[in-house]
Amino acid sequence: ETGVTQSPTHLIKTRGQQVTLRCSSQSGHNTVSWYQQALGQGPQFIFQYYREEENGRGNFPPRFSGLQFPNYSSELNVNALELDDSALYLCASSPGLPSSYNEQFFGPGTRLTVL
Amino acid sequence: GNSVTQMEGPVTLSEEAFLTINCTYTATGYPSLFWYVQYPGEGLQLLLKATKADDKGSNKGFEATYRKETTSFHLEKGSVQVSDSAVYFCALSDQTGANNLFFGTGTRLTVIP
Repeated sequence: ETGVTQSPTHLIKTRGQQVTLRCSSQSGHNTVSWYQQALGQGPQFIFQYYREEENGRGNFPPRFSGLQFPNYSSELNVNALELDDSALYLCASSPGLPSSYNEQFFGPGTRLTVL
Repeated sequence: GNSVTQMEGPVTLSEEAFLTINCTYTATGYPSLFWYVQYPGEGLQLLLKATKADDKGSNKGFEATYRKETTSFHLEKGSVQVSDSAVYFCALSDQTGANNLFFGTGTRLTVIP
């Protein structure tokens, strides 16, 4: 069984650019969540997707957007990058309904550096 | 609102020492509580969890008890090993709305031989 995978592993961008991060959920998992982990901090919830629709959002501006595809993989897009967007971006997948509050399985993350 | 406060790190212990990492929380309703571990270069892994008051979660020699009266979920291990060196995160899910987690800031543990 393949776990959660993310690409790319590392990414360097400059301020004002746009970036797309990708996540493949674990087999059979239909819910995907994205988290931002700044250096020395705990992960913060960005948003969650269930069956291709946003199912909840944390305190992040609209320039953070996402997509989920029919195969449950997901993308995180960030527009107009700022220096503070430099962080490890984690994707997590879970099975079943979000309201079942099943365990989330995390990927290794994408390290984004904004210069 | 929901928040998790964790013991500041880093923590350095000798092998076979006793470990405690403190965690307290603020939450609405009846949250579930978790400890996650992050090994170098890897993603977060669920270490243990507890879903209601007085539950004890345990795994790989680690334990934590859900204490509603003190809003705490302290992580303990009787005898740490070098392989336990990692960053440990306390987290909660408030079991409302989206299935999202609120994390503490993490505690880095280094175990020396």
